[in-house]
Parts: sequence; structure tokens; C-alpha cells
Amino acid sequence: RKEVEQDPGPFNVPEGATVAFNCTYSNSASQSFFWYRQDCRKEPKLLMSVYSSGNEDGRFTAQLNRASQYISLLIRDSKLSDSATYLCVIPFSGGYNKLIFGAGTRLAVHP
Amino acid sequence: GAVVSQHPSWVICKSGTSVKIECRSLDFQATTMFWYRQFPKQSLMLMATSNEGSKATYEQGVEKDKFLINHASLTLSTLTVTSAHPEDSSFYICSARVEGPNSPLHFGNGTRLTVT
Repeated sequence: RKEVEQDPGPFNVPEGATVAFNCTYSNSASQSFFWYRQDCRKEPKLLMSVYSSGNEDGRFTAQLNRASQYISLLIRDSKLSDSATYLCVIPFSGGYNKLIFGAGTRLAVHP
Repeated sequence: GAVVSQHPSWVICKSGTSVKIECRSLDFQATTMFWYRQFPKQSLMLMATSNEGSKATYEQGVEKDKFLINHASLTLSTLTVTSAHPEDSSFYICSARVEGPNSPLHFGNGTRLTVT
């Protein structure tokens, strides 16, 4: 199993839609998880940390399912500006303070 | 929030020349910085982990003699692409984490390198 796997998409949704992405990971000992957003030709920007109890930030909700080893990102009321690639990030199982990026899920929100 | 500054934002150079990219943590100290590379439509790939005061740790398949990393202070890491070739053209991004458990990565704005 890969360290981290994401559905590459693209997810094409209309404005106002609700969309969810999952990301599976192999390291059961992982303690910290993150969702990043990357716009075309730009650096990734932190969107949310993922807490074990789940957390919400406006239209964005992140959840962790330890039993099944996946994290999820839910976006409600999609905006055109949400169009981007969403990257999940988990700690490298071999330590060394490294974080491993998923390949990213592309989201395209259309009018 | 933590800020990481990267310079230059873009550079065009001729084959055979060397290019130095700087990465600075502006408001925190970073004993460890990470260098990533991203080719078009691909994911970020970790190239190496830069350690202040010691040698960098390179990922498998990354040539340490070609990608020279220096981390001489707690706020500065440099990546030098030596004898650049067109296949080295890519988006290079540095990042750092504020010390402490469960802290996220903060990225520089990246350097787009084009080798002609």
C-alpha cells in the first residue's frame, strides 16, 4: 500500500455543490494530518490541520477515520475560487520529521 | 503565521551553468528545511532534507553532487543546481516546520527554473 493515496479527479462540480475528497494512508501510527491547497503554478498553502475529533473552518470540514486509515475533506457551497488541487499530507512512516504529499485531487467548480 | 521566503521566483539559465536558490525562514528558526521539486501536472517530490550545521539527507535517486544543499544558519538554506540541463527545468519549492509536534509545513513561494 502506498504511503498516501488520493483520487486524482478531476472533480467537476457546479457552484453551490458539496464535494468530498478522501485520502488513505498506510502508517497507522501517524498523529498529524493536513490538507493543503495548490493553485496552478503556485506553492501549496495550508488549508487545514486534521484533528482526531474532526474540525470545521467555515465551508470546510476535515475528518479523520483511524480505523479505516483515511482522512476526508468536505467542501460545502462550492465557489469558483475553490478550483484548485487539494493535497493531503501525512508524516513519513520512517520518521525524520518528513511529511509525505499525496498526488492531489483536482477540483474544478463551474458556473 | 510562519513565513518562508524563497528567492528567486524564477530564473532562466543556459545549460552547464549553476543556479543557487535561497530559502529563508523569516519569523522562526528552522533546524530542518525541506526541498521539493514539482514537474508539470505531477505531485511534489521530496528531494532532500536540509539540516542546520550538518549534511543534508537526500532522497533516493537525487544526486547529492548535482543538487548541493547548504544550511549554514537557523534561518537560511540554499540549493544549488550545478551544471544545469534542460531536464532540470522544474518548480523547486522549499519548506520548513516550526518546531513542535504536529506542526504543518510552511512553503516558500517556489522557484521556477528554466534551463535552455
